[in-house]
Amino acid sequence: GQSLEQPSEVTAVEGAIVQINCTYQTSGFYGLSWYQQHDGGAPTFLSYNALDGLEETGRFSSFLSRSDSYGYLLLQELQMKDSASYFCAVIGSNYQLIWGAGTKLIIKP
Amino acid sequence: DGGITQSPKYLFRKEGQNVTLSCEQNLNHDAMYWYRQDPGQGLRLIYYSQIVNDFQKGDIAEGYSVSREKKESFPLTVTSAQKNPTAFYLCASSIGWRRQGAASSGANVLTFGAGSRLTVL
Repeated sequence: GQSLEQPSEVTAVEGAIVQINCTYQTSGFYGLSWYQQHDGGAPTFLSYNALDGLEETGRFSSFLSRSDSYGYLLLQELQMKDSASYFCAVIGSNYQLIWGAGTKLIIKP
Repeated sequence: DGGITQSPKYLFRKEGQNVTLSCEQNLNHDAMYWYRQDPGQGLRLIYYSQIVNDFQKGDIAEGYSVSREKKESFPLTVTSAQKNPTAFYLCASSIGWRRQGAASSGANVLTFGAGSRLTVL
């Protein structure tokens, strides 16, 4: 089958660093994507990894290990506005994105 | 500015009624998608279209119908056959994998509309 697993909730302190993990199981692999969704809003694209390694975009970084079927999203210098749900997604066998259930990031002052 | 427009933002429906959600994009994207999101859940694919006049069922297509007569438009009809239609509906578009391949950013980067929240009374 095809599935993704990520923690349902992560709590961190403002200014700290947090890592959100994602493990996946797919019949073929074309890359791992990350999206952010604030409550009541639409998902917005954050990053995409097709190859192993770390991709950095400002305070956010995304890592992929294809041999381990694993990736993570790293958020640094956390701000209150980063409080949101974060979804990982992979392309499935029908060439459409399969989504994880999402990780709710709670940031405390 | 290019983007995706969904309407209406909020919609109330009586049981037994069909409703149609509008989705229009001016990004010149080939592919368009409809997702359903229930509270605290991920996104589930209802229908998708990679090209005009063609669309495919997603994981939860029962009780829904779509059309893709124009590249810019991908309306979703929630029929009375959908047993539990109360949900947040999201329309999205992408360049699509046909042009760039499944491993490309074109296939993996989706742009979403603001969503339509449907409540059945």
